Amino acid sequence: NAGVTQTPKFRVLKTGQSMTLLCAQDMNHEYMYWYRQDPGMGLRLIHYSVGEGTTAKGEVPDGYNVSRLKKQNFLLGLESAAPSQTSVYFCASSRDALSLYNEQFFGPGTRLTVL
Amino acid sequence: QQQVKQSPQSLIVQKGGISIINCAYENTAFDYFPWYQQFPGKGPALLIAIRPDVSEKKEGRFTISFNKSAKQFSLHIMDSQPGDSATYFCAASMSGSRLTFGEGTQLTVNP
Repeated sequence: NAGVTQTPKFRVLKTGQSMTLLCAQDMNHEYMYWYRQDPGMGLRLIHYSVGEGTTAKGEVPDGYNVSRLKKQNFLLGLESAAPSQTSVYFCASSRDALSLYNEQFFGPGTRLTVL
Repeated sequence: QQQVKQSPQSLIVQKGGISIINCAYENTAFDYFPWYQQFPGKGPALLIAIRPDVSEKKEGRFTISFNKSAKQFSLHIMDSQPGDSATYFCAASMSGSRLTFGEGTQLTVNP
């Protein structure tokens, strides 16, 4: 099992460009999440999904869109990138609602720089 | 608004010493409190977790202490090793739908 994988690993964008980050999991998990990690701010939830075809906003959703057309994939889109979106993006998944018996598994991250 | 506050921001400990990281939360509806460990260039990984109906949970050298009345919980790493050098995050969840993370603590264990 590959677990949670993210594509690409690194990307540099110019202000105003668009891009899509792809997250894939092979664990048949229902829940998937997108976070951004910035120094001194921990991980902040952007959007999440509790099942195929569903999405919901997290703490910092502005400037991002997501889609969950297939259970195993969760896409994060930036329509018009801004320097404030320079960050490391992590995707995660969990089998079901989080608990002592359902942990969240993280991908390796995508480092995005917006010039 | 940060609902989970973590301290210290950085911590340096000698090999064999005890590392202590503290977190405080505001929302009394939180019912799941995990700690994550992150090595440079990697994604976070679950280290240990606790529910608020117990005051302590131990797994090997790692212990969570939980004080429900004070709305605080902490991670203790006994006999700290250089391999424990990483960034540690506390987090909290309500009804299992999403996690709210603390700011993170960068731990360095000197040999």
